[in-house]
Amino acid sequence: EDQVTQSPEALRLQEGESSSLNCSYTVSGLRGLFWYRQDPGKGPEFLFTLYSAGEEKEKERLKATLTKKESFLHITAPKPEDSATYLCAVQASFNKFYFGSGTKLNVKP
Amino acid sequence: DVKVTQSSRYLVKRTGEKVFLECVQDMDHENMFWYRQDPGLGLRLIYFSYDVKMKEKGDIPEGYSVSREKKERFSLILESASTNQTSMYLCASSGRDRAFFGQGTRLTVV
Repeated sequence: EDQVTQSPEALRLQEGESSSLNCSYTVSGLRGLFWYRQDPGKGPEFLFTLYSAGEEKEKERLKATLTKKESFLHITAPKPEDSATYLCAVQASFNKFYFGSGTKLNVKP
Repeated sequence: DVKVTQSSRYLVKRTGEKVFLECVQDMDHENMFWYRQDPGLGLRLIYFSYDVKMKEKGDIPEGYSVSREKKERFSLILESASTNQTSMYLCASSGRDRAFFGQGTRLTVV
């Protein structure tokens, strides 16, 4: 069964305190792994796509990495404006996207 | 920029009503999706469509149907709304890679 699991469910950080979010997956025929950011009351906003193990992508304070079983979203020196829910998704066969339940990040000044 | 537009941000409907949620995309994408999002459960796939008039059930299709008469438009239909269908509904479209989302429709069934 295709499944995506994110941890932790919630994360509270002080401004400047770096950390990582985890996304583990079991899926047949992985075509890509995606990270999204979602602000309250809005639709998810695309951040990164990763296609193969060992791949890394960076954007400002965020870096996403991929292994054969999991992905990490590293947040370096976060700011309060990084507070959001971060969603991980995998694209499987027939172009279906499966999402994890997200990690709610709260960065305090 | 890709645009996925959902017809309503907020809706309040009564139990038993037939409800239509509309979604339009402007990027000529083949694939379109309807998800619902509930606290602690994440995004769950209701239906998706990979071509005009083609549809596939997702993980939670019960109580819902869909229509895709034109490539750019994908409609979600609640045949007889119930209170357990109160949720945030998200439409998405994708080409060969990433999915793009609409702003969401917060549906409350009373």
